[in-house]
Amino acid sequence: EVHLVESGGGLVKPGGSLRLSCVASGFTFTEAWMAWVRQVPGKGLEWVGRIRGAMTTEYAAPVQGRFRLSRDDSKNMVYLEMNNLKTEDTAVYYCCWSGYRWFGAWGQGTLVTVSS
Amino acid sequence: DVQMTQSPSSLSASVGDRVTITCRASQSIGTYLSWYQQRPGQAPKLLIYDASTFDGAVPSRFSGSGSGTDFTLTISNLQPEDFATYYCQQAYTTPLFTFGPGTTVDIK
Repeated sequence: EVHLVESGGGLVKPGGSLRLSCVASGFTFTEAWMAWVRQVPGKGLEWVGRIRGAMTTEYAAPVQGRFRLSRDDSKNMVYLEMNNLKTEDTAVYYCCWSGYRWFGAWGQGTLVTVSS
Repeated sequence: DVQMTQSPSSLSASVGDRVTITCRASQSIGTYLSWYQQRPGQAPKLLIYDASTFDGAVPSRFSGSGSGTDFTLTISNLQPEDFATYYCQQAYTTPLFTFGPGTTVDIK
């Protein structure tokens, strides 16, 4: 069974940084696309970015240049480093095991609040 | 950008009802369309991908159809655990995925 657990969320001031982590199990991690999707509480879903291997990363326009994805295949971990955070980045961030065109499994999410 | 709309935004139904949710894309997306279910307080769960292919152990009362710009998710014989919000998601412009705004199914 696929299992994803996020951590690292919390309260941060505008302009600050935060790193989210996600540990995965139940599938062959090294071959997998891993993605992040966020959701403002009570609102809809927004794709943030995805990573495959060490070099292939893709980002949504609102986070391009501020967020950075990385992974440690030896630990089945994926990381989302978020810099220059804005109030509009406040959301629950979900780690997803991603097919090429869909999001096949989701973690329980971690809340990021950007507020002064 | 491909914009996704869903209708209705919410609906009330009873256990045993047949429910249809529509998703429309602003341009043709082939069959690159997935559906997700999100129960209150939970993460989304993939139901259907490529417009009509089931993911894993999704109950057979769920079905998806459509191509091009118009898609439907049908739930026949609605069960108590089906009361949730449903989202569509396009992947034609991969990796620039976009989701629909969601349709909430609640108890009449």
